[in-house]
Amino acid sequence: SQTIHQWPATLVQPVGSPLSLECTVEGTSNPNLYWYRQAAGRGLQLLFYSVGIGQISSEVPQNLSASRPQDRQFILSSKKLLLSDSGFYLCAWSLGLAGGTDTQYFGPGTRLTVL
Amino acid sequence: DAKTTQPNSMESNEEEPVHLPCNHSTISGTDYIHWYRQLPSQGPEYVIHGLTSNVNNRMASLAIAEDRKSSTLILHRATLRDAAVYYCIRDQGAQKLVFGQGTRLTINP
Repeated sequence: SQTIHQWPATLVQPVGSPLSLECTVEGTSNPNLYWYRQAAGRGLQLLFYSVGIGQISSEVPQNLSASRPQDRQFILSSKKLLLSDSGFYLCAWSLGLAGGTDTQYFGPGTRLTVL
Repeated sequence: DAKTTQPNSMESNEEEPVHLPCNHSTISGTDYIHWYRQLPSQGPEYVIHGLTSNVNNRMASLAIAEDRKSSTLILHRATLRDAAVYYCIRDQGAQKLVFGQGTRLTINP
């Protein structure tokens, strides 16, 4: 069966510090991968998605970036965190089915607090 | 525009059925309707999806209106563990989901 891992579970970082969040998927090949952010009390905002190694699409301009160095690894990074980067970061994967039947499976999330 | 409209919150009692409505009046003929739910402090989880006809699975039922401009997620017998934010999403086949604010469901014991 497929499993998705995210770490760390919680993170407290000072403003201006770098960020690296990692997501890995087990039990499937060539998944679509997604990064979402959820600010406190808000809905989910899609940040990046990837349909293959090295292929990243950005949905919202910001000071974050994403990379996919391996098939089942997705990394979210920032060179300098802002206060507004605080939130609950969720990674998800899907099979990439066309036609509107694709289902996304979410990881446990990383709760980031920028002070 | 992948917008759907849901009530901000609903409340129900344990062991009673719950009907969560969703309006998607601008839906096109090929857009699927997906429902996800998010329990407190967790990532969303898939509940059900459908296109035209009603759908059932172990978690819930999805009733889609004949004109497809609205749908209803049905929890047949709510438990306290069903308290969550429920999201109704139009999937336009772009392999991306646009989450709205959802409906916060409270279950009373």
